[in-house]
Amino acid sequence: DGGITQSPKYLFRKEGQNVTLSCEQNLNHDAMYWYRQDPGQGLRLIYYSQIVNDFQKGDIAEGYSVSREKKESFPLTVTSAQKNPTAFYLCASSATRAGRILNYGYTFGSGTRLTVV
Amino acid sequence: GEDVEQSLFLSVREGDSSVINCTYTDSSSTYLYWYKQEPGAGLQLLTYIFSNMDMKQDQRLTVLLNKKDKHLSLRIADTQTGDSAIYFCAESPNRDDKIIFGKGTRLHILP
Repeated sequence: DGGITQSPKYLFRKEGQNVTLSCEQNLNHDAMYWYRQDPGQGLRLIYYSQIVNDFQKGDIAEGYSVSREKKESFPLTVTSAQKNPTAFYLCASSATRAGRILNYGYTFGSGTRLTVV
Repeated sequence: GEDVEQSLFLSVREGDSSVINCTYTDSSSTYLYWYKQEPGAGLQLLTYIFSNMDMKQDQRLTVLLNKKDKHLSLRIADTQTGDSAIYFCAESPNRDDKIIFGKGTRLHILP
């Protein structure tokens, strides 16, 4: 079955450490997205990518980095510059046509909960 | 602004109907969505409606769209304990390459 997989489900980071969250999809979707979710704040967009080897900053990109070397993969690195990284991170993907998102919207992964220890 | 607005909390008795309301901002949005998020999980697409429709029904779910007022609602008939979740309203503006989400409505089911 096609889907989008995030790993790990839980991740602990020490102060000053970089950590990388994995996101892989086998849906043949062109576009991929990273969101951060904090209680009561909904979803906030970190980075997104419409095509391989290209990505754009979202609303809260500071302290994060991404790469898109393969269509299937869009890893997110939380760097030591991100001062408050404890949150639930969600990856999503979508099919597009001429840059427009198709009718079934985004497919989400099951999330990674990152905690600073 | 680009905000999709929805109330943050709703409490409903088991067996009653739940109605979650949302206002969106962009009249060019082609598709409007409702997503469901259960605790500790990702978002799951519940249903979507095309902008030229007024209503869409799918089993216990009814979506109503008032395009003039940019108002979207989700009605869940015969609400059950398994419906307890956060429900996100979202729009897909033509001018944008991203979906815009509301902050989510937490539905609490009373016994």
